[in-house]
This record gives sequence, C-alpha cells and structure tokens, in this order.
Amino acid sequence: KAGVTQTPRYLIKTRGQQVTLSCSPISGHRSVSWYQQTPGQGLQFLFEYFSETQRNKGNFPGRFSGRQFSNSRSEMNVSTLELGDSALYLCASSLASGGADTQYFGPGTRLTVL
Amino acid sequence: AQSVTQLGSHVSVSEGALVLLRCNYSSSVPPYLFWYVQYPNQGLQLLLKYTTGATLVKGINGFEAEFKKSETSFHLTKPSAHMSDAAEYFCAVTAPHNDYKLSFGAGTTVTVRA
Repeated sequence: KAGVTQTPRYLIKTRGQQVTLSCSPISGHRSVSWYQQTPGQGLQFLFEYFSETQRNKGNFPGRFSGRQFSNSRSEMNVSTLELGDSALYLCASSLASGGADTQYFGPGTRLTVL
Repeated sequence: AQSVTQLGSHVSVSEGALVLLRCNYSSSVPPYLFWYVQYPNQGLQLLLKYTTGATLVKGINGFEAEFKKSETSFHLTKPSAHMSDAAEYFCAVTAPHNDYKLSFGAGTTVTVRA
C-alpha cells in the first residue's frame, strides 16, 4: 500500500506570495492532519480534516487554511507569506479521527520564504 | 492541557550501548502515548504506541517503552545501539480532553559513536 505523499517536496517563495501544498493520504484513510516543523518551535499542529470537515485547529493565524476533498486528499494554503513561515510542513493520515489511531506521516514539503 | 517534556535535546551513545530517551507528560486523564523517529529529510515514522493494557510496549527496530502512570513517564529504550539508530526521536501524546490533537515533545537527537 502506498504511503502518504506530499507535493511538492521543496518550494521557494517570496514574502507576500501565497502557496498551496498538497497531501494524498494512504488509501482508505479519511483523516488528514497538518503540522509545521521548525527548529525553534518544533512540531506544531495546524489542523485536521475528516470527511471534508475541519475537526480541529491549532493556534495559527487565519493566513493558514486547508481543505479536504471527497477522495480524502487535502490541500493547505498559506497566504501573504512571511519569513517565519519557512518550515517543513508535514501531513499525516489515519483511518479515523481521534482515539489511538496511528498517524502516518508523509515526507513533508520544505518551504523557504525569501 | 497536556504537554510533553523530553529530557535532553542531544544524546550520544557508543555502538552497542544502551539507548535511553526520557519522556514525561502532563495530562489530567490517561493519555495515549507515542514515540516517532525522524531521519534526515524524511517524515516521522511510528516506533511504538501505548493505548491501554500492558505497560511495556515493544516497537520496531528493537525499541521498547514503558508507561509508568505514577511517574507520568514513557521512556524509550533499546538495549544495543546501532549506527542506523542515529536520528531524531519525538515523544507525543493525545488525550480525549484535548480532542485527540497530537502534542509533540521538542525531540531528542541521537548520535551513535563507532
């Protein structure tokens, strides 16, 4: 079974631009979560989608948004990019939402904001 | 609220020596606990998890962890380190009162000396 895939793997943008990242979960998984990883703040939860509905949201500004499609694929959008948005963005999928379900992570998208 | 503390941001061990990574959590209710490993330029891979039942949990690659409720700890061990164990390790916790959002510790980087 194919793992979680994320595209693109690397992105370079300039301040003020917007960016869209894509995540394809493991087949059959209906929950997709997004995390931001930086050296200073570590791994921080952004949001979770389940059956096309946002179930949970972390403490990030409204510039960060996401959505999930009927095939469970998810996209994350960041508008008006700031230098501090440079990070590794990780997507994880699980069978269901909540509980002890294991989250399986993709390789991440490395975003650099210049 | 729940949080995860990993003692020691860097651990250096000799090949063949014991690996011990410490994790303490704070949660007002019994949590679910996870250990993930991250190799350079990759996503996170689950090593093991504790949900309920047996408090000694065995994972992949020879790792195991013991849930100690009285000490609010979930330390990760491996009897004999291998060069391939060099990576960053993250302890994580979820709990129902936090809507099962996954909270990560700051991570511990393990280096293995030949």
